[in-house]
Amino acid sequence: ILNVEQSPQSLHVQEGDSTNFTCSFPSSNFYALHWYRWETAKSPEALFVMTLNGDEKKKGRISATLNTKEGYSYLYIKGSQPEDSATYLCALGGSQGNLIFGKGTKLSVKP
Amino acid sequence: GAGVSQTPSNKVTEKGKYVELRCDPISGHTALYWYRQSLGQGPEFLIYFQGTGAADDSGLPNDRFFAVRPEGSVSTLKIQRTERGDSAVYLCASGAGGNTEAFFGQGTRLTVV
Repeated sequence: ILNVEQSPQSLHVQEGDSTNFTCSFPSSNFYALHWYRWETAKSPEALFVMTLNGDEKKKGRISATLNTKEGYSYLYIKGSQPEDSATYLCALGGSQGNLIFGKGTKLSVKP
Repeated sequence: GAGVSQTPSNKVTEKGKYVELRCDPISGHTALYWYRQSLGQGPEFLIYFQGTGAADDSGLPNDRFFAVRPEGSVSTLKIQRTERGDSAVYLCASGAGGNTEAFFGQGTRLTVV
């Protein structure tokens, strides 16, 4: 059974702090790694889909890196804002696009 | 714009009853996925449709769960003889298939009492 692990489980930071989370996964039979942001009462929103070892992607203040050989991905948020408060989910993509999710990292940013 | 729509947003039902959860995907998306998120867990894959056919139903927990997508658009997840353990948020996503971006609905929160 494939297992996707995320750490930390939760994180509390002050506005302006930079932060990062980890996603680890089995490195064999890799297809893609997805990051989602899920705010309360909203739909999960896709942040990144990453497929290549060494991939780095950026969207505004958020960026992600991927290491498929050692089986991990990092998500970075620079200068956290209260609106960044959400659960960040990492998911391993199967060959058909079905996703195996981790439990998520819940981020709270205090003004 | 029209995103993925799920109805109802909340459903409370009694143990043993039958429920149907509906998903309207983004127009033109051939792939449709159902997931279930239980408290404290990440979303768990249930079933994947490519067009009208269920390409992978390996995530359905037992034969009380069934899903259809008769015209390759709207999908319905059906749960028979509901149990308290079925209480969860049921999420639907649609996309082009493969490892392209999948777009999620807001989910249906099912509570079985």
